[in-house]
Amino acid sequence: NAGVTQTPKFRILKIGQSMTLQCTQDMNHNYMYWYRQDPGMGLKLIYYSVGAGITDKGEVPNGYNVSRSTTEDFPLRLELAAPSQTSVYFCASLGSNQPQHFGDGTRLSIL
Amino acid sequence: AQSVAQPEDQVNVAEGNPLTVKCTYSVSGNPYLFWYVQYPNRGLQFLLKYITGDNLVKGSYGFEAEFNKSQTSFHLKKPSALVSDSALYFCAVRDSNSGYALNFGKGTSLLVTP
Repeated sequence: NAGVTQTPKFRILKIGQSMTLQCTQDMNHNYMYWYRQDPGMGLKLIYYSVGAGITDKGEVPNGYNVSRSTTEDFPLRLELAAPSQTSVYFCASLGSNQPQHFGDGTRLSIL
Repeated sequence: AQSVAQPEDQVNVAEGNPLTVKCTYSVSGNPYLFWYVQYPNRGLQFLLKYITGDNLVKGSYGFEAEFNKSQTSFHLKKPSALVSDSALYFCAVRDSNSGYALNFGKGTSLLVTP
């Protein structure tokens, strides 16, 4: 099993550009999450999904959008990149009686 | 809101000595508590969890954690530290109001010196 796969691993964007961070899981988990990690701040929840077609905002959703058309995929969209969105982004999934599984992250710099 | 706090930014310990990484929690109801470890340029790896039952929880790589309800603490421990234990450690609590997402502490950097 690949678990949770995130692409790309690294990306540099210019201010105002847009991009999509991809996340896919092969464990048939219903619950999926996007977090961002900033130095000394821990991880903050951006968006989450409890199943295909259902998404909801987390603690820091501004500037981001998500979709969940399939159980496997949960992409995160940045529409107008801003320097404050420079961060490391983690996708995670959750199955029954299991802890959350995390991907290896996408390191995003906006210049 | 469910939250955890990690009061130490960094913990230094000599190899072979016992280690403790501290975590306190603030929750309504019964807490679901977790410890994760992060190595450089990697995602978070699950170490252990407390849901109910014994206050001493055993996890991966020889780590254990002690749940203390009266002190609202969930400290991570290991009897004998290894240099390879050097990493960033996160305490987290499950938030049932956000699809069972995790609310994380800010992390504690553990440095084990030879």
